[in-house]
Amino acid sequence: KNEVEQSPQNLTAQEGEFITINCSYSVGISALHWLQQHPGGGIVSLFMLSSGKKKHGRLIATINIQEKHSSLHITASHPRDSAVYICAVRSGGNGNKLVFGAGTILRVKS
Amino acid sequence: ETGVTQSPTHLIKTRGQQVTLRCSSQSGHNTVSWYQQALGQGPQFIFQYYREEENGRGNFPPRFSGLQFPNYSSELNVNALELDDSALYLCASSLEGWGGYTFGSGTRLTVV
Repeated sequence: KNEVEQSPQNLTAQEGEFITINCSYSVGISALHWLQQHPGGGIVSLFMLSSGKKKHGRLIATINIQEKHSSLHITASHPRDSAVYICAVRSGGNGNKLVFGAGTILRVKS
Repeated sequence: ETGVTQSPTHLIKTRGQQVTLRCSSQSGHNTVSWYQQALGQGPQFIFQYYREEENGRGNFPPRFSGLQFPNYSSELNVNALELDDSALYLCASSLEGWGGYTFGSGTRLTVV
């Protein structure tokens, strides 16, 4: 079992739909990151969370430390949101490395 | 404020050869970590450098090695390349104690 599991693996939505991507982890963490990766590879950091909820524009990220679960929500989705969304956790020890989920491929159709 | 720059962007090498990938850290960041991302998978941690010393390593063989320089830029060296080394190699810089990361656009390595 991977230390970080994401669901779904693939998601297709119509423009305007509300989208939720889930992340569960099994290790102790100091922070959880939501990242966006576009074709070509570059990764952009969306959120860093250690508790509660954060909002930036149409994106909302929540984390439940007790349940070891986080969600990324996109409201009023748009085709430009199409990308791979990756959950990564920063675990203490071993140089505070990031452990990544496999990613969720999101395609928003117009 | 500059971001993280990786070079080259693409590279093709032959099995058995050696390769050096480069990463310049974001201004003010003192920690750099390297990740390997195979097609369709999430990135895997290779190692991390803090103040020119390796301070964490993932499950990669010794033929993967690195350096960090006094200006906090970094190199990833891979010896005796294998076909399975074909991947996107990502570099991320951070400031120790802060917890946030800035990623480069990656170097896509193809081993033939």
